[in-house]
Amino acid sequence: QQPVQSPQAVILREGEDAVINCSSSKALYSVHWYRQKHGEAPVFLMILLKGGEQKGHDKISASFNEKKQQSSLYLTASQLSYSGTYFCGTESMGSSNTGKLIFGQGTTLQVKP
Amino acid sequence: DAGVIQSPRHEVTEMGQEVTLRCKPISGHNSLFWYRQTMMRGLELLIYFNNNVPIDDSGMPEDRFSAKMPNASFSTLKIQPSEPRDSAVYFCASSLGGLAVHEQYFGPGTRLTVT
Repeated sequence: QQPVQSPQAVILREGEDAVINCSSSKALYSVHWYRQKHGEAPVFLMILLKGGEQKGHDKISASFNEKKQQSSLYLTASQLSYSGTYFCGTESMGSSNTGKLIFGQGTTLQVKP
Repeated sequence: DAGVIQSPRHEVTEMGQEVTLRCKPISGHNSLFWYRQTMMRGLELLIYFNNNVPIDDSGMPEDRFSAKMPNASFSTLKIQPSEPRDSAVYFCASSLGGLAVHEQYFGPGTRLTVT
């Protein structure tokens, strides 16, 4: 089952903050976040694991609520370079440690000067 | 490191023709993933390999699609015969694999157009 992301799209001014949410109906082992710029490949941002471990970007933070099967990505003091489509990829408990990710539909972020 | 390499970058073919997409993962990575991306369906996992062995091909749309990984440095995704609805960007990604959770590194993708 594909995780659901919200919002679908957001427009910001430079310096503003944004939160992107990812929700799954399955028990999750890990949540991965990627950013994709137009015409390019997705690029890894962050992994959050069950149990609280995180690995990834220094300037982007995220949370993972295991009980609610939800994750949120926090983009603070946004820069023009943050523009792109953000995807969460979820690894369910049944597929733990396989690397098998199911991606959400994406959230398009546009940062304007 | 050169990153994940995919070829060709663009492919235009006629319906009914065979299409072969190629991928070279990052050296030392044990897991390889094939994805398809379209506006309608988003980023879909087609198949993934661990140590050259196909682990899960449940995302492969139908028998027209097949994938192989004959060795640790090469994989192919074949579509035979191709149909217009196969038009999409196909990404290959690799990761370290193993027991820990690792990030996936995506190749630049192959944009396939079937007319």
